[in-house]
Amino acid sequence: EPEVTQTPSHQVTQMGQEVILRCVPISNHLYFYWYRQILGQKVEFLVSFYNNEISEKSEIFDDQFSVERPDGSNFTLKIRSTKLEDSAMYFCASSTQGQGSYEQYFGPGTRLTVT
Amino acid sequence: LAKTTQPISMDSYEGQEVNITCSHNNIATNDYITWYQQFPSQGPRFIIQGYKTKVTNEVASLFIPADRKSSTLSLPRVSLSDTAVYYCLVGDIYNAGNNRKLIWGLGTSLAVNP
Repeated sequence: EPEVTQTPSHQVTQMGQEVILRCVPISNHLYFYWYRQILGQKVEFLVSFYNNEISEKSEIFDDQFSVERPDGSNFTLKIRSTKLEDSAMYFCASSTQGQGSYEQYFGPGTRLTVT
Repeated sequence: LAKTTQPISMDSYEGQEVNITCSHNNIATNDYITWYQQFPSQGPRFIIQGYKTKVTNEVASLFIPADRKSSTLSLPRVSLSDTAVYYCLVGDIYNAGNNRKLIWGLGTSLAVNP
């Protein structure tokens, strides 16, 4: 069964450093998302991406965040200058073209620890 | 997206049927109801989606009454591996355009005991 993959599984970085989280969505999917989950809290929507542009972003997704689909397979989330409060699990998700479902396929996540 | 309310936690035993109810009093005419499951340190996994009456798949059943102000996820004969957090989400799947963002609550933490 096809699946969403994410790398790395765990990233430790110092405050102020840039990090890039990588995702490979399912190959025939056209909608891509990033979510995050701070330990013990609910999953939070960050951004959705379709047709090589951002469809919607949340208040969390400020100027420090950016997303990119540099080639036909990868989907990346960059945090330019990390803060302690960016420590969380980051999940990438993808879904198929068209209307009719909220079925999104999530990756295993990247645990980001900012020290 | 409509706000949902679920119990924070539930306990069950292996082999029992578990029913988790979600309240969504402000559900709109075009909204669908979707349930996800999340194991610790893993990404959420889609379980089931429905609009009205009953939907069943190999994993669960979803019961939606006529007024659609609530829904019940039914897990038949749970096992220890069903211990997870279960989320109910409500949204318009046909008019959301290119955006399918999911807005999450705290979910229901289900503990299945031996």
